[in-house]
Amino acid sequence: SQQGEEDPQALSIQEGENATMNCSYKTSINNLQWYRQNSGRGLVHLILIRSNEREKHSGRLRVTLDTSKKSSSLLITASRAADTASYFCATDVEWGSARQLTFGSGTQLTVLP
Amino acid sequence: DSGVTQTPKHLITATGQRVTLRCSPRSGDLSVYWYQQSLDQGLQFLIQYYNGEERAKGNILERFSAQQFPDLHSELNLSSLELGDSALYFCASSSRLGSYEQYFGPGTRLTVT
Repeated sequence: SQQGEEDPQALSIQEGENATMNCSYKTSINNLQWYRQNSGRGLVHLILIRSNEREKHSGRLRVTLDTSKKSSSLLITASRAADTASYFCATDVEWGSARQLTFGSGTQLTVLP
Repeated sequence: DSGVTQTPKHLITATGQRVTLRCSPRSGDLSVYWYQQSLDQGLQFLIQYYNGEERAKGNILERFSAQQFPDLHSELNLSSLELGDSALYFCASSSRLGSYEQYFGPGTRLTVT
């Protein structure tokens, strides 16, 4: 079963607008990661935020994490048509050399030119 | 290009058959992960190997098995295939040290007819 639930399931915006995606999860985590997937392709890692961090930036990406609410958000600023893809949050639990990423259901983002 | 390779790209087979999917991790990565992505189940973690040993198990059916060889490549074996096994199967690899992101291969699309 999936740990993360993402909201919204689909989002359509105009180029230049900001896109915000939310993720909620259920159990304790070591960190939370966001991945992007273009249709039918492999996932690409975007950003990782550790459980003791509250906010992280990478280029046009801003991720927040609220461990008390077990939620995270991904903000993409000044969106481009090339940002059209599915975005997944993944909770990361590690123990020794074992680790398990549990992915959310994803948000399908469409950026219209 | 993530550096993770998967073969074959596409596989079409009949119910009841057995197939083997192959994955070569990025150079130097000791961990290999297998995921299944389907429309109804989303992206599900199947199993992790680290330096040849099984480390974590997710929602992997008993009909499925995997192994990691001394050269670190991995194979996922799927047997007694059912229609519901049709999915994209991804392999990912990661380095234990440093960053924790996983690098995904392009996937193998399995169609069971």
